Amino acid sequence: QQQVKQSPQSLIVQKGGISIINCAYENTAFDYFPWYQQFPGKGPALLIAIRPDVSEKKEGRFTISFNKSAKQFSLHIMDSQPGDSATYFCAARNTGGFKTIFGAGTRLFVKA
Amino acid sequence: EAEVAQSPRYKITEKSQAVAFWCDPISGHATLYWYRQILGQGPELLVQFQDESVVDDSQLPKDRFSAERLKGVDSTLKIQPAELGDSAMYLCASSLEDSGSPLHFGNGTRLTVT
Repeated sequence: QQQVKQSPQSLIVQKGGISIINCAYENTAFDYFPWYQQFPGKGPALLIAIRPDVSEKKEGRFTISFNKSAKQFSLHIMDSQPGDSATYFCAARNTGGFKTIFGAGTRLFVKA
Repeated sequence: EAEVAQSPRYKITEKSQAVAFWCDPISGHATLYWYRQILGQGPELLVQFQDESVVDDSQLPKDRFSAERLKGVDSTLKIQPAELGDSAMYLCASSLEDSGSPLHFGNGTRLTVT
């Protein structure tokens, strides 16, 4: 119940294309869904986050789509750039306790 | 921008030895977390502090791992004795005491046990 399942494991996209990463969860106590970006040798950094009371959030080229009934959420990266090449983690945080559970990660490579 | 400080950046140790990692969170962040990240996987929570109190250490291997945050500011994670399977990145993160506040991670300590 505490798991967050993320797919795909790896993704190769052409420059200018759309990158899509999907996540699913079971625990309905989760109420905050962030996405983190991690470059080699660095810690994860917050990219964008969403609460379950909205179905979509957009920040620049990054969009989260959230489907509460399906318990799924996804990250869309529009106009993908080589600089977006990194590992992306979805996560979910539960009400009270503030425990954050991470997905297994998606390694994105954007070809120039 | 304020950062979470961790040291050392890299640590190589032989199995059965003791190792310690240090973390200084962002000033004012009451919640501090230690995560372990095995290569190619997502971070897994080891221990969570609220000020100086442990909130969750259910995934901490307590026979060999210990963590403390004595004054509610910086924190130390210790492994004794280290095992080969402990080789991983150890990440510290901090956040405000708010369910909507993101985690701010340090750059981690890369531990290699030989």
